[in-house]
Parts: sequence; C-alpha cells; structure tokens
Amino acid sequence: DTGVSQDPRHKITKRGQNVTFRCDPISEHNRLYWYRQTLGQGPEFLTYFQNEAQLEKSRLLSDRFSAERPKGSFSTLEIQRTEQGDSAMYLCASSLMSGLDSPLHFGNGTRLTVT
Amino acid sequence: DQQVKQNSPSLSVQEGRISILNCDYTNSMFDYFLWYKKYPAEGPTFLISISSIKDKNEDGRFTVFLNKSAKHLSLHIVPSQPGDSAVYFCAASGGFGNEKLTFGTGTRLTIIP
Repeated sequence: DTGVSQDPRHKITKRGQNVTFRCDPISEHNRLYWYRQTLGQGPEFLTYFQNEAQLEKSRLLSDRFSAERPKGSFSTLEIQRTEQGDSAMYLCASSLMSGLDSPLHFGNGTRLTVT
Repeated sequence: DQQVKQNSPSLSVQEGRISILNCDYTNSMFDYFLWYKKYPAEGPTFLISISSIKDKNEDGRFTVFLNKSAKHLSLHIVPSQPGDSAVYFCAASGGFGNEKLTFGTGTRLTIIP
C-alpha cells in the first residue's frame, strides 16, 4: 500500500490558463474522490468515481472543471480558464467501496495558485 | 449553510491530559460520522468513525461519542501526546457509508509538553 499519490504537489499558473492534476489511488480501491480545500475551511466534495463511472458531481464543479478516470485507475482533474477563486488545495481520495469499514484515504494534495 | 460545525478553531491541552474536540451537525439525514487528522502539508488521515446505530466507538486512545438527539459528536483523546498536535476535522455523510463527506472547518489541537 503506497497510498494515494497526487501530481504535481504545487502549481502556479496565470489567470486564464488551463491546468491538469493527476491522482493515482491505492491500487485495489475502486472509488476515487476529488475534494477542494480553501484556507480555514474543511475539504469540500467535488466529484467521485466508481471504477470509470462518474457517479456524482457537486454544484461547485462549474463547466470549467472536468474530471476523468478513463480506465478505472488514475484520474485527472482539469480546470480550464483558471480564475483567482480557483486557488485552493485539491485533494484526491480513494476507498475500497462504500461502507463503514472503508474510510477515504487522502493524498497530500495539489496546491494551486492562480495569479 | 454549514451543515457540520466545529465551533472551536483551536484548543490547547497539557500532555497526558484528555483532549475533547466537539462537532455539531444540522442535517438529520447524516448517519455516518468520521474524524480525520491533518498535519501541515499532508492530506487528512482517517482516525475513527461511528455509525448512527451506535453512541460510542473506541480505538486505543481515541473514543468518539455520538448524541443523535443533540446532533452532537465528540472525540476524546486520552492521554494526549505531543504527536497529537494537528488539525482535526469532523465529517459526516448521509449515505450508506462514505459517499460525499461533508467536513467541518477543523479544530487545531496543540499539546503542550
């Protein structure tokens, strides 16, 4: 168990640019989640996948955001035409399945700064 | 609309004493509650959970208590150790388990040696 891996750890971009983040979940986990955390707040749910199917998206996920998990393994989160309000920590998590015995395991996040 | 509230942004406790972190929720559909611990520059780490069919769950030094009528849960850490210094998040979900967790804003716990 090597844990959830996120890349890059930090990203600085100019407003209007597109960015893409990658998440590699724990290998046997079939559920993958994206959360966003801003300063002084707890993580906020963005979306989650079961295998390659995206099962739910938050209203926080505007049209500029898209997430994929093409083969049910790693996932990407893309933000198009970034805005300063997108600056946050983007956290990925995975779990084996739904249920009380399968809590979310989080990666260390990608910190995005939009200048 | 903050459905999960941690009203104490920070807490300082002497090493060896009990640390009590509190969490309130407003959504009566929540039936699964978790506590996560977060160190700087790391992601949250799962600590302990409880379902709404229980009122207490224990794991080593950590105990979570759930009072459904008051919509309140608490995390007790005893004895507190310096390595417990971190930000603690309370989270809740209304599904069968872990879908779409709603997190509180966190409490920064500092253990004083």
